[in-house]
Amino acid sequence: DAGITQSPRHKVTETGTPVTLRCHQTENHRYMYWYRQDPGHGLRLIHYSYGVKDTDKGEVSDGYSVSRSKTEDFLLTLESATSSQTSVYFCAISESPGGVTNEKLFFGSGTQLSVL
Amino acid sequence: DQQVKKNSPSLSVQEGRISILNCDYTNSMFDYFLWYKKYPAEGPTFLISISSIKDKNEDGRFTVFLNKSAKHLSLHIVPSQPGDSAVYFCAASQGGSEKLVFGKGMKLTVNP
Repeated sequence: DAGITQSPRHKVTETGTPVTLRCHQTENHRYMYWYRQDPGHGLRLIHYSYGVKDTDKGEVSDGYSVSRSKTEDFLLTLESATSSQTSVYFCAISESPGGVTNEKLFFGSGTQLSVL
Repeated sequence: DQQVKKNSPSLSVQEGRISILNCDYTNSMFDYFLWYKKYPAEGPTFLISISSIKDKNEDGRFTVFLNKSAKHLSLHIVPSQPGDSAVYFCAASQGGSEKLVFGKGMKLTVNP
């Protein structure tokens, strides 16, 4: 299994509070991604990173920010959590993603976030 | 804009029979397609992929078919086993893109 650790695994927070989710990898892969999974929507890309300090938006980036100061860590921050951000969040890594050399993504185990 | 669409939300089959999961896509620029499997409380895991230069790729019990003219992707599992019960996601990307676009997920139940 790819070395991907997400923390925390579960979190309950209140509306309006800041929340940071962490993804840590030991594979030294260049690309890192944050997805959210919701019923009826599947997996949707929030943000991704293609190198240290290099990030870009996905399809559902509003309300989220990311940072990557080291190859192994990719942080997802909800500046002011809302109930619509209650979801399961998955981190994924790739050496070089599908569109480039047909490599696949490896996923972490997920973080269940509940915003009350 | 849902570029990758699943055809049905769930499927139930008997152990030993064939499971067929389908996806349609709208972006004709997609050239690489994947299937992922997800068990409850776990992250998705890669199952099988296919490049647009092929129309079929087989790996053991799993075969992926690609019909480019119909923009249709399917996954066949033969024979189906109870351990195949999971949510399956199809995904696609286009050349030069760093992103995968996922479908909504289909729940497969294989009954013993």
